[in-house]
Order: sequence, then structure tokens, then C-alpha cells
Amino acid sequence: GESVGLHLPTLSVQEGDNSIINCAYSNSASDYFIWYKQESGKGPQFIIDIRSNMDKRQGQRVTVLLNKTVKHLSLQIAATQPGDSAVYFCAENPTGTSYDKVIFGPGTSLSVIP
Amino acid sequence: GAVVSQHPSWVICKSGTSVKIECRSLDFQATTMFWYRQFPKQSLMLMATSNEGSKATYEQGVEKDKFLINHASLTLSTLTVTSAHPEDSSFYICSVTGVNQPQHFGDGTRLSIL
Repeated sequence: GESVGLHLPTLSVQEGDNSIINCAYSNSASDYFIWYKQESGKGPQFIIDIRSNMDKRQGQRVTVLLNKTVKHLSLQIAATQPGDSAVYFCAENPTGTSYDKVIFGPGTSLSVIP
Repeated sequence: GAVVSQHPSWVICKSGTSVKIECRSLDFQATTMFWYRQFPKQSLMLMATSNEGSKATYEQGVEKDKFLINHASLTLSTLTVTSAHPEDSSFYICSVTGVNQPQHFGDGTRLSIL
């Protein structure tokens, strides 16, 4: 199967601070990107997505930034809460169609310090 | 409520036995279902793509005779791990998608082979 990387980077932030999680993607032709949150023992949960014709998209307390020039994606979480502690994955969908496969990045483990 | 139901959530069995995992789409007719495997502290690795009524498409390096996939209806796909061995122990996750639907993930099945 495909994957990007085998080790899990970690990020620790103080409760109330903003978190920034970064991701580099591999395929310059990818059209659609998704951020997922995975809590321990559960499947990934959709957070926010963005298409390649946008460079920023905002949700509730979350913002995704896309820089196609350097193939970089970031997830910003405002006012991080203990419930945000989880592993966060970016995923790229090369074709942009929802029923096509996505390729997951290596993930970042976020720990929120109370 | 849950969009995807995956069963069982946890299974322990002896080496050499076969294990079947079910993935059900609860909210919509899933044109495509995906099966992933995840080892501890690693990312999700796509194993196969399953379309209703047709043979599954397996990723490179995934043995189709080892991991049997049946997608008999638009709401049910099954993954059977045949003659399981300890190295098959992992967290298996399915996802479902349909027209204009992002991928929704099940809560995974933790498989332990003794």
C-alpha cells in the first residue's frame, strides 16, 4: 500500500494556545486535500477539506492553508483544548473525486497540556 | 450518529484461523469502500478499493488471496483475513464513500493473532 513516512512526529501545546500542524504532500497534481483527526482506538474523523483552487479555508476553530508552490498544507487549531489531543493526518486525493482513494501522510500526534 | 459501522471492534484468534470483518454504510449507498491497515504509531496504509459488484483492486504488495474482499451490496463490504498469522495483527479500518460524499471511516477492528 501507499503511505508517506513511517514515524509519528509529535507536537505539545499549552491549553488555550494555537496549534499549527504541517504536512508536505507528494503529488503536484493532487486536487483535493483533507485533514483527519484520529483518537486512540478509533477511525479517522473528517475535520476540514480544501481544493487546489483555494489557498485557505476556515471552519470552526480550524483553518487549513494550502501552498501549492511548495506542496505544503497546514492545519491551524485556535484556542487548543484538551479534547483536541489526537493524531492528525493530512490526506491527498490526486483526482479530486470523492470516490477515489486518498493517500495519508505520516500523521502528527498533538498533546495538549492542561 | 455513526455513518459507518465496523464489526467486530476487537478480535483475538489462534494462528491459522480466518477472520471476517464487516463494514456497513449506515447513511447512504456506498459506491466505493476502502480497506486500510494501521500499525501502532504509523499512518493508514490503503490495502484495497472495493466497488459494489466487482472485484476489489488491491494495492501493490497486498496479497489478494490472503485478504479476501467481498462487496455484495451498496451497504456492506467484508474483509476476510485467511489463515491469519501473528504478523497480520493490526488495526483494520474501512471507509465508505458515495456521490458527493467524503470518505467516512469506521472505528476499526483490532485484530490480534496468537
